[in-house]
Amino acid sequence: AQSVTQPDIHITVSEGASLELRCNYSYGATPYLFWYVQSPGQGLQLLLKYFSGDTLVQGIKGFEAEFKRSQSSFNLRKPSVHWSDAAEYFCAVGETGAGNNRKLIWGLGTSLAVNP
Amino acid sequence: DTEVTQTPKHLVMGMTNKKSLKCEQHMGHRAMYWYKQKAKKPPELMFVYSYEKLSINESVPSRFSPECPNSSLLNLHLHALQPEDSALYLCASSQRASGFSTDTQYFGPGTRLTVL
Repeated sequence: AQSVTQPDIHITVSEGASLELRCNYSYGATPYLFWYVQSPGQGLQLLLKYFSGDTLVQGIKGFEAEFKRSQSSFNLRKPSVHWSDAAEYFCAVGETGAGNNRKLIWGLGTSLAVNP
Repeated sequence: DTEVTQTPKHLVMGMTNKKSLKCEQHMGHRAMYWYKQKAKKPPELMFVYSYEKLSINESVPSRFSPECPNSSLLNLHLHALQPEDSALYLCASSQRASGFSTDTQYFGPGTRLTVL
């Protein structure tokens, strides 16, 4: 069965520092991979997604992610964090293949705190 | 317009009450979703509608009753809820009728439900 692991439950970084949030997935085929962000009291917003092509994906708000098949990883990065980036970050993998009940498999999330 | 709206923002109800949550999108999306989210957890899929027909029901208790009156509207009718049903209820939509696990999902801000 497909699964998504976000090893870091909580991360704290200083404003201006670089950020990397880890995501590992378990899936046989090439998956659809997503990163969503949820600010406090808000719904989720897509940061970026990957299905095929260039393994380095650019997203909104200065985020990027790199798909590494050999490591089954899709880590999210940002070179310089802003205080407004404090939020919950979810990695998700989309089931593919036959059938009508394919859905997103969500990681447990990483909570990001930003120190001034 | 990439907005999904949800009403009400907050709802407090007793265990014998009947209430409804509403969701609306005007992006022409063909799939709409209900999720339940507990604090600091990923969203849990409840229902998916495709072309106004129920496509996925994740074994949700019958005290939750979804309805899709038209392609822009999604309701969730609530009756005889339990305190453990207190959560953030998120609505989402995506473009294609069958893109449940591959298309970007656009989320509303959610309804914060408290069951007393």
